[in-house]
Amino acid sequence: NAGVTQTPKFQVLKTGQSMTLQCAQDMNHEYMSWYRQDPGMGLRLIHYSVGAGITDQGEVPNGYNVSRSTTEDFPLRLLSAAPSQTSVYFCASANHRRGNTEAFFGQGTRLTVV
Amino acid sequence: AQSVTQLDSQVPVFEEAPVELRCNYSSSVSVYLFWYVQYPNQGLQLLLKYLSGSTLVKGINGFEAEFNKSQTSFHLRKPSVHISDTAEYFCAVSGSMREGAQKLVFGQGTRLTINP
Repeated sequence: NAGVTQTPKFQVLKTGQSMTLQCAQDMNHEYMSWYRQDPGMGLRLIHYSVGAGITDQGEVPNGYNVSRSTTEDFPLRLLSAAPSQTSVYFCASANHRRGNTEAFFGQGTRLTVV
Repeated sequence: AQSVTQLDSQVPVFEEAPVELRCNYSSSVSVYLFWYVQYPNQGLQLLLKYLSGSTLVKGINGFEAEFNKSQTSFHLRKPSVHISDTAEYFCAVSGSMREGAQKLVFGQGTRLTINP
């Protein structure tokens, strides 16, 4: 029972490089989201998706792209990495049926941009 | 827009003592409320949630929380803590009841440290 799987767990990038953080879920959830966690700021929503082919911006979307071609996968792309994007990134999937709702989180990707 | 304030960034307590972690929220619509726990170098795990009904919610590991609509609070409590409860705790609210847990707004987090 894998739940939400994120890869890689750690990554170091140079300023200006691009990369994709992978996220996959096996719970058949419609909703998937990306958050970043910074000290003293909790988690902030970057992008989210309500289903395959549908994405929208969260609170801090600048510098990131997403796409959702399948229910299972929701990759996050950094177009040109900046030191301000050094953070821990969490992917989440959520159910929302018949008055019940819960988000499930991956183990996180710790990204350092130098 | 919703916002969440966790009133204490750090809470040190002795083992077997009671603890309360405070959370206040602001919202113009009805929301769902959550508490998550993050152990070192791990993801977030759901402790408990308030969706509707009884305002006292029981969760895992002996934690409970009380929803107070008039005070817009959702404080987390445990009557007797253990060393293993050392972690960071996050209070979160949904964007709206229609949106559910797909868009969560988090507080800043409270680091709970249990001393022997």
